Parts: sequence; structure tokens; C-alpha cells
Amino acid sequence: DAGVIQSPRHEVTEMGQEVTLRCKPISGHDYLFWYRQTMMRGLELLIYFNNNVPIDDSGMPEDRFSAKMPNASFSTLKIQPSEPRDSAVYFCASSLEGIETQYFGPGTRLLVL
Amino acid sequence: SQQGEEDPQALSIQEGENATMNCSYKTSINNLQWYRQNSGRGLVHLILIRSNEREKHSGRLRVTLDTSKKSSSLLITASRAADTASYFCATVYGGTSYGKLTFGQGTILTVHP
Repeated sequence: DAGVIQSPRHEVTEMGQEVTLRCKPISGHDYLFWYRQTMMRGLELLIYFNNNVPIDDSGMPEDRFSAKMPNASFSTLKIQPSEPRDSAVYFCASSLEGIETQYFGPGTRLLVL
Repeated sequence: SQQGEEDPQALSIQEGENATMNCSYKTSINNLQWYRQNSGRGLVHLILIRSNEREKHSGRLRVTLDTSKKSSSLLITASRAADTASYFCATVYGGTSYGKLTFGQGTILTVHP
């Protein structure tokens, strides 16, 4: 298996622009997690899905952030409009029901100018 | 915040030495996990210890859990330069939704050849 796939790996954009991050979980995994990592706040859980349904979005910082999972093999995290303070590394992870280990993707490094 | 705290924040040792990292948390947990993150990469799961376990081994890794002190330690024996990475503990708190991990701030380990 290729593992969790994220795209793009790097994104540089200007303040006010829309940013879409993409994730393909490991095939067969039924949980998908979006995290954000910054030096100041460390690794934070933003939202997670079970069987494509959002279960807990209490970590989503603002209404500018939204996440979708239209099917079992694809999820997006969208920021609209983006702000410089959104600059961070965004990770997607997936896991399998009953197996609590999470498998992380390589991350998307976002820089908002 | 329920976020765990790790110490030391940074650890520098010579190849062949043992490395010990500690993690403390604040409320009862279901399990505690350790992850490794190489620079610029995603997190990799190392080991999971459940709240009813006191010690667990995996290769050169040994994890202990003391629920009375709300603390855990990760010991890496006979360290190698390739062990250079950041190490994070992550907890699943009792009563929270399945899979909701709360990460510590991490320990940066540098192993000098």
C-alpha cells in the first residue's frame, strides 16, 4: 500500500486566496483525521471522520476552515479566505476501526503571504 | 489544556547511549502512544500502551506507564544516528471519542555518530 497520500506537498499563496488540501487515506481505513502542526501550538486535531461522516470538528479554528469527505478514498480541507496565521504543516492521518494506531501522510506545508 | 507535557524538550546524546524521554498527562486515559517524526516528514507510530499495562517492549524501545503519577517514559536503548528525530506522546483520554489523540509538544532527540 502507498500509505496516506497528501497533495500538494507545498503550497504558497497570498492572503485572501482559497486553499484546498487533499488527502487519500489508506485503502480500507474507516477513520480519517486532519491535524495542523505549528511551532507555537504543536500538533492539533482539527476534525475527524468515521465512514465519511464528520464526528468531531471542535478543533476547526474558524468558519474559514471546512472539510469534506465525499467518499472513502478522498478528503479535502479548505481554507477560504486564507490568512498568514494559517501558515503551518497540515497532516492527514487514517486508521482502522479497532486499531488505534494512526498512519500519517507526509503533510502539506502551507505558507500564506 | 489536556495536552501532555514532555521532557526534556531536547536531548543530545552519543551513538550507543540510551535515551529516555518522559511524558505527563492530566486526566485518566484509555491508552498512550508514542510517535516519531523525522524532520520534514509525517509522524510514525512506535508503540501503544494501554491504561492497564505497566510496561511494553518493542525492539530497542521500552515504554512504561504509571497511571498513579499520570506519566509515561520512552527508553531507546543503544541509540543510533538514525534515531535522530522528534518524539511525541499522544493520549486517548477516557470518555473521549474513539481515536481522538492529544499530542504532547515533543522531545527533539539528536544522536551524534
